[in-house]
Amino acid sequence: SQTIHQWPATLVQPVGSPLSLECTVEGTSNPNLYWYRQAAGRGLQLLFYSVGIGQISSEVPQNLSASRPQDRQFILSSKKLLLSDSGFYLCACSYPGPSNTGELFFGEGSRLTVL
Amino acid sequence: AQSVAQPEDQVNVAEGNPLTVKCTYSVSGNPYLFWYVQYPNRGLQFLLKYITGDNLVKGSYGFEAEFNKSQTSFHLKKPSALVSDSALYFCAVRDLAGGSYIPTFGRGTSLIVHP
Repeated sequence: SQTIHQWPATLVQPVGSPLSLECTVEGTSNPNLYWYRQAAGRGLQLLFYSVGIGQISSEVPQNLSASRPQDRQFILSSKKLLLSDSGFYLCACSYPGPSNTGELFFGEGSRLTVL
Repeated sequence: AQSVAQPEDQVNVAEGNPLTVKCTYSVSGNPYLFWYVQYPNRGLQFLLKYITGDNLVKGSYGFEAEFNKSQTSFHLKKPSALVSDSALYFCAVRDLAGGSYIPTFGRGTSLIVHP
């Protein structure tokens, strides 16, 4: 079974500072990877997804970016944080190809507070 | 296009009573349907899925869900609620006709089980 590691778990950053959240996956090769943001402990907003190394699709235009430098590593970044970037960021994965019935497996999340 | 609705923001139930968390969906083709649970400050955990076959699906922690194609519903149920079931529950759908492997999530329903 797959395990998803996210870090840091908690982050407090000033407005205008950079951001790097990391996610690594164990237990499956060539997973589909996702970054979600959850505001106010409620709905999920899909930010980015990736089907392979270097392949990133953005769902929402914003000052965030994502990269996938290795098969099981997914990084969420920003050059300059905004107050509105505060939230709970979740990394998720799903099985690739024909094995993928669509269920996602989530990490424990990174809570970002921008002050 | 695929969409999912969770009509209740919050469900309250007494411990020991049966619980139902409602979900309806809209797809062009056949759906894959999922339920997830999220405890405070944690990532989402996959509970169960409907792919095909028996309309009653059993999942983790004693939960089950009933797929009803005519009513386009996939309600989550448990015969006897526990206080520890209190959490945020998400329904999700993936439309097989849509060509996308990315599920759409509902806004979530907060389940509160009273002692």
